[in-house]
Amino acid sequence: DGGITQSPKYLFRKEGQNVTLSCEQNLNHDAMYWYRQDPGQGLRLIYYSQIVNDFQKGDIAEGYSVSREKKESFPLTVTSAQKNPTAFYLCASSGPDRLSYEQYFGPGTRLTVT
Amino acid sequence: EDQVTQSPEALRLQEGESSSLNCSYTVSGLRGLFWYRQDPGKGPEFLFTLYSAGEEKEKERLKATLTKKESFLHITAPKPEDSATYLCAVPHSSNTGKLIFGQGTTLQVKP
Repeated sequence: DGGITQSPKYLFRKEGQNVTLSCEQNLNHDAMYWYRQDPGQGLRLIYYSQIVNDFQKGDIAEGYSVSREKKESFPLTVTSAQKNPTAFYLCASSGPDRLSYEQYFGPGTRLTVT
Repeated sequence: EDQVTQSPEALRLQEGESSSLNCSYTVSGLRGLFWYRQDPGKGPEFLFTLYSAGEEKEKERLKATLTKKESFLHITAPKPEDSATYLCAVPHSSNTGKLIFGQGTTLQVKP
């Protein structure tokens, strides 16, 4: 079955630690995205990548970093510089080319930092 | 500025009571309007894409329509399992693939 996987589903970290969230897709999509969802705030774009080895900042990139070394994978690192990291993180992809705007989402990772 | 506004924020219906959700958009050069359903603690599930004014799409009890300024998601005779948050989104006018999402409408259908 084709789809997007995110792991883990729940993640707990201590303040000051970096943490990496995994996102893998087997849809052969070129573009991948990371969103953050907070109650009452909707979906906010963190980073996106339209092709391998290239990515752009979204609306709230501060305190986050990404890499895109493979077409299938787009990991997100939440660094200690992110002031309020506790949130629900969603990965999405669209394709098969950059003219395809429909985005398909993974199941999400809920990060709790204490 | 590209913008998407959904109303109402929350909607409570009795089972079988039909209603509509609204999505108003402002974007230069519409490249599609997307509807998603999101259940609590899960990722959004794609429902429909509409491309041009007058277009309609249907899936079970849901029908999405599009005008030049807004889209409606009509829910006919809803059931409790239709309870979810419904999101709409449009591609950003920068043509970078980014989507602009509305805040969502949370629908609760009571038996």
